[in-house]
Amino acid sequence: DTEVTQTPKHLVMGMTNKKSLKCEQHMGHRAMYWYKQKAKKPPELMFVYSYEKLSINESVPSRFSPECPNSSLLNLHLHALQPEDSALYLCASSQRTGGYEQYFGPGTRLTVT
Amino acid sequence: GQNIDQPTEMTATEGAIVQINCTYQTSGFNGLFWYQQHAGEAPTFLSYNVLDGLEEKGRFSSFLSRSKGYSYLLLKELQMKDSASYLCAVRDTGGYQKVTFGTGTKLQVIP
Repeated sequence: DTEVTQTPKHLVMGMTNKKSLKCEQHMGHRAMYWYKQKAKKPPELMFVYSYEKLSINESVPSRFSPECPNSSLLNLHLHALQPEDSALYLCASSQRTGGYEQYFGPGTRLTVT
Repeated sequence: GQNIDQPTEMTATEGAIVQINCTYQTSGFNGLFWYQQHAGEAPTFLSYNVLDGLEEKGRFSSFLSRSKGYSYLLLKELQMKDSASYLCAVRDTGGYQKVTFGTGTKLQVIP
């Protein structure tokens, strides 16, 4: 199984809502990532988890809150988002951090109204 | 920090060969990835170079020159399905060896 799954596929939320994005992999990978990608731009790293511990936070606003409940799951909790947060949110995983290829999920297309 | 440059767009003909260049200026370098991304889809891994030279994988090859801060992705026998964005990404030498993506090259393959 070389798949990373993400739910939901699409999400529309108001600025006062609370929602969560979910990511799952069963490849035994110990590094998991959240990226944000705006249209016609490259993925921008948000968070890196290594062995279920947060190792990189790229100065992401606190309205984005990551969580790694176990080695297979990664969540991104959203609260009080702004319209400019609308983007494709990609989850990825790799065997370890560093020089290992990252496997990306299909992404969640988020629209904040 | 990382500064990664790629051409924004390229057009090539089906059956031809195309070379997509990537130059980088980094505070630390520990490997370079190429990813393919079709519109509306997630990136998929194509290649990884950490030593100078050419890595070949089927119709795709990737070259690296660390002294020049330069890489290219070579696509042979182009097919219409190769129309996609091609992202160059550099791994740094920090503790968690963060990977930074370039802006990507949008390749259009025409008949």
